[in-house]
Amino acid sequence: DAKTTQPNSMESNEEEPVHLPCNHSTISGTDYIHWYRQLPSQGPEYVIHGLTSNVNNRMASLAIAEDRKSSTLILHRATLRDAAVYYCIRGSGNTGKLIFGQGTTLQVKP
Amino acid sequence: DAGVIQSPRHEVTEMGQEVTLRCKPISGHDYLFWYRQTMMRGLELLIYFNNNVPIDDSGMPEDRFSAKMPNASFSTLKIQPSEPRDSAVYFCASSLGTKPNSPLHFGNGTRLTVT
Repeated sequence: DAKTTQPNSMESNEEEPVHLPCNHSTISGTDYIHWYRQLPSQGPEYVIHGLTSNVNNRMASLAIAEDRKSSTLILHRATLRDAAVYYCIRGSGNTGKLIFGQGTTLQVKP
Repeated sequence: DAGVIQSPRHEVTEMGQEVTLRCKPISGHDYLFWYRQTMMRGLELLIYFNNNVPIDDSGMPEDRFSAKMPNASFSTLKIQPSEPRDSAVYFCASSLGTKPNSPLHFGNGTRLTVT
């Protein structure tokens, strides 16, 4: 049970921002929100994670709702290389154990 | 940093044969995870280790599957005997558990085909 809900697929145009939503309405107070992506024929790749505050790194931004029941991964300027499956995951504790759901397949059109 | 190294990249075997998948985690990482990916079931966590000790093997599908971590730099996932339904991509990942919510680093996987 991944305990997160994401749209199956999304489309974006190249060089435009992309907002990938995730619902995690049953999240506990100590669960972090993790995002990974998987490019074709590769293993999943870490993107970003956060607990309560919005987070930014060189790859993306993570906007977390105030009630923490949802979050949004933001790719500021999509490129063709960003076409991948994006996974939103709830992670608990320090074990690092992550349960992946089905993710969102992002298509980027030139 | 060479990343997580898995071997072989591809394995084709006949039903009933023993299959051994290998993983070398990133040096210094103390957690190691084995995942399996299929179209039908997505990414499934099979087992994970902390400091070479198996912590949770509840995802291991059957007794035909076994995993070992004899030292900090090597782990194996063995299937004996293999069956066609074991065909999947098997990923190994490692992380530094002393840092809370440390990212998982995945290898490029082993694509297993059992005929």
